[in-house]
Amino acid sequence: QKEVEQNSGPLSVPEGAIASLNCTYSDRGSQSFFWYRQYSGKSPELIMFIYSNGDKEDGRFTAQLNKASQYVSLLIRDSQPSDSATYLCAVRNNAGNMLTFGGGTRLMVKP
Amino acid sequence: EAQVTQNPRYLITVTGKKLTVTCSQNMNHEYMSWYRQDPGLGLRQIYYSMNVEVTDKGDVPEGYKVSRKEKRNFPLILESPSPNQTSLYFCASSHKGQPSYEQYFGPGTRLTVT
Repeated sequence: QKEVEQNSGPLSVPEGAIASLNCTYSDRGSQSFFWYRQYSGKSPELIMFIYSNGDKEDGRFTAQLNKASQYVSLLIRDSQPSDSATYLCAVRNNAGNMLTFGGGTRLMVKP
Repeated sequence: EAQVTQNPRYLITVTGKKLTVTCSQNMNHEYMSWYRQDPGLGLRQIYYSMNVEVTDKGDVPEGYKVSRKEKRNFPLILESPSPNQTSLYFCASSHKGQPSYEQYFGPGTRLTVT
């Protein structure tokens, strides 16, 4: 069983809608959780990180963490065509020395 | 400009011919790491280094070697490349002390082994 699971998509949403991306993880001791965005042919770039249960907002992005359910999500409000990319969920282990990535969800925002 | 650089960006080689992919960062980061990215499998960690002369295996270390003789450099060595090592490789670095542990990624090296 993969340690970090994401639906590969593609997830297609119309421009202006809310895109909801989900991620589950298996290591209950994980402490830090990250969302990276990766455009085709480019390197990943960090969008948000979260390490406390609840919501964390940054502009149009909201990360949600539920450690009891081992679930992390990313909401993108007012989705724009420029948000079309692959979104990678990453989980840092308790020792803080390794980052495990999910397979990524491809998001397509249609004008 | 703060950055992670990798060379070469593209490489086509033949089975068994030793190669080295270089990685360098100018941010004085302690932590450096190598990943490979394959379709449907996401990023998988090959090796990482917590500091100079300290390296450890990630999830997929077979067929790879690394060294960390200087803080800024973390080369990836393929002693005898095989076709299953055809992949997109990323080097990353981070400042170990920061709570976000944000990793800065290099531009990637696309390797093809025939």
